Amino acid sequence: AQSVTQLGSHVSVSEGALVLLRCNYSSSVPPYLFWYVQYPNQGLQLLLKYTSAATLVKGINGFEAEFKKSETSFHLTKPSAHMSDAAEYFCAVSDETGANSKLTFGKGITLSVRP
Amino acid sequence: DSGVTQTPKHLITATGQRVTLRCSPRSGDLSVYWYQQSLDQGLQFLIQYYNGEERAKGNILERFSAQQFPDLHSELNLSSLELGDSALYFCASSQRLAAYNEQFFGPGTRLTVL
Repeated sequence: AQSVTQLGSHVSVSEGALVLLRCNYSSSVPPYLFWYVQYPNQGLQLLLKYTSAATLVKGINGFEAEFKKSETSFHLTKPSAHMSDAAEYFCAVSDETGANSKLTFGKGITLSVRP
Repeated sequence: DSGVTQTPKHLITATGQRVTLRCSPRSGDLSVYWYQQSLDQGLQFLIQYYNGEERAKGNILERFSAQQFPDLHSELNLSSLELGDSALYFCASSQRLAAYNEQFFGPGTRLTVL
């Protein structure tokens, strides 16, 4: 079964600092990977997705992620954090069979941004 | 706004009761998913429908059931409610079945069982 692991439950950065949120996946076949963001009291919003077209994926709000097969990783980065980036971030992998497309989520990482 | 709507936004009920959560997918989306988000279990997939047919089941309790209607809206029915069923329930939709299709999430229904 496919799975994702998000190390750490909380990351705190200063405004303007680099944001790095880690995600490692487990899959027997090339996976489809997603990063979602959840702001307080809201639903999940897609930041970006990896579908094997390119290993460096650019998303919304200045976020990007790099797929590294050798490290089974799909870490999310943003060069300069903004106060509005404070939220919970989820890495997810889609079902490998392709017959359905349920998402398996990591436990999520809460990002805090200090002024 | 994702285009996915869920009602009600909040639901407070008692143990043993039955509730129905409703979801309307984005226009043109045929696939509907239900997820449960709780503090101890995180985000868990419950069930998926595609064009009216059940396609996949996750960690869904037997007390829970769902269906997708001809107009593509979906309902999640939760019965014999227990305290542990208190959670945020999300509906998501996507255009097709393919695993690379992104899912668009609704704002969720927060269920509190007292």
